Amino acid sequence: EDQVTQSPEALRLQEGESSSLNCSYTVSGLRGLFWYRQDPGKGPEFLFTLYSAGEEKEKERLKATLTKKESFLHITAPKPEDSATYLCAVPPGSSNTGKLIFGQGTTLQVKP
Amino acid sequence: DGGITQSPKYLFRKEGQNVTLSCEQNLNHDAMYWYRQDPGQGLRLIYYSQIVNDFQKGDIAEGYSVSREKKESFPLTVTSAQKNPTAFYLCASSKGGQYGYTFGSGTRLTVV
Repeated sequence: EDQVTQSPEALRLQEGESSSLNCSYTVSGLRGLFWYRQDPGKGPEFLFTLYSAGEEKEKERLKATLTKKESFLHITAPKPEDSATYLCAVPPGSSNTGKLIFGQGTTLQVKP
Repeated sequence: DGGITQSPKYLFRKEGQNVTLSCEQNLNHDAMYWYRQDPGQGLRLIYYSQIVNDFQKGDIAEGYSVSREKKESFPLTVTSAQKNPTAFYLCASSKGGQYGYTFGSGTRLTVV
């Protein structure tokens, strides 16, 4: 069964304290892994797409990496404005309908 | 600017009442999706449409209905058969295939 699992569920950091969020997936024939950021009461906002193991993408303090079984979202020297829920998602292996399977998300709180 | 608009932002439903959530996009995307988000459960797919006048059930379609008469519009009706409709509803659109989603800002539905 296709599945996406994110850990930890919640993460509290002090401003400037770097850390990583994990997204593990089981899907046959990965056709992309997506990271989104969601602020409370708002829709998710696209961050990155990764397609192949070894690929990395960066945006400001965020860097996403991909292996054959998982993806990491590294946050370097976070600021309070980085506080949000981070979601990862993958297309199911069995179809090409554009559907995405989402993880439950990691809620990040960065304290000043 | 192109985008995807959901309305209303907040909606209250009485027992036994049908309500319709609006979703409009001007991104010229073929595919549109409805997800439901509950605390701790991530996003779950309700319905999706890859082309006008065609749509498919997602994982939790019972108690919901949709239509896709225009490329720009994909309204979701929450019927009285949906016994636990209180949730945050997200509409998304995509070019399809391996492209990620653009999300709307969401509608929070509460049963009163």
